[in-house]
Amino acid sequence: EAGVAQSPRYKIIEKRQSVAFWCNPISGHATLYWYQQILGQGPKLLIQFQNNGVVDDSQLPKDRFSAERLKGVDSTLKIQPAKLEDSAVYLCASSRARGEKLFFGSGTQLSVL
Amino acid sequence: GENVEQHPSTLSVQEGDSAVIKCTYSDSASNYFPWYKQELGKRPQLIIDIRSNVGEKKDQRIAVTLNKTAKHFSLHITETQPEDSAVYFCAASREYGNKLVFGAGTILRVKS
Repeated sequence: EAGVAQSPRYKIIEKRQSVAFWCNPISGHATLYWYQQILGQGPKLLIQFQNNGVVDDSQLPKDRFSAERLKGVDSTLKIQPAKLEDSAVYLCASSRARGEKLFFGSGTQLSVL
Repeated sequence: GENVEQHPSTLSVQEGDSAVIKCTYSDSASNYFPWYKQELGKRPQLIIDIRSNVGEKKDQRIAVTLNKTAKHFSLHITETQPEDSAVYFCAASREYGNKLVFGAGTILRVKS
């Protein structure tokens, strides 16, 4: 089966600029996650969707980060404005349902200069 | 909230030897413990997982053990091969697969 698709693969921006990442989960997967992975650390959950509803966004810096999953399929994560500390790999993951195994995408590597 | 600590941060072993990575967790309500392997520049991939109703699970050269009383779990890789070289992450959650909290990772190097 096709995996979780993410784009772009790499992005370089200057601080205070805006950036958006896109994720297409595995077909039929109802649950979608965005994780932030800072170099040398494990992934940290930013937001979880169940279909098009937000289940958990407690660790999302809402003053600058936003995410949506219209129609319960694709999702976008936006940062506006970006800070230096936002430099990380942003991983999207999906699972067939809550409580099932996660499958990760290849991630978007963001560098904020 | 849950906190997962992972040790060691780096591990070098000779090809054919065994490797053991240990994790401790803080939330006694956690009941699902997966392990992910991440090769350089690639996505994390689930290699094995264990639920709290069992103490050990094995899949060929990989095994995971869980001690709920002590709140720690370990990954065991036997007969290591160069292709086992990667970063390994443990994780824990209260609800199977939901809201995973990851450890900081272990860089495993298998020397041939």
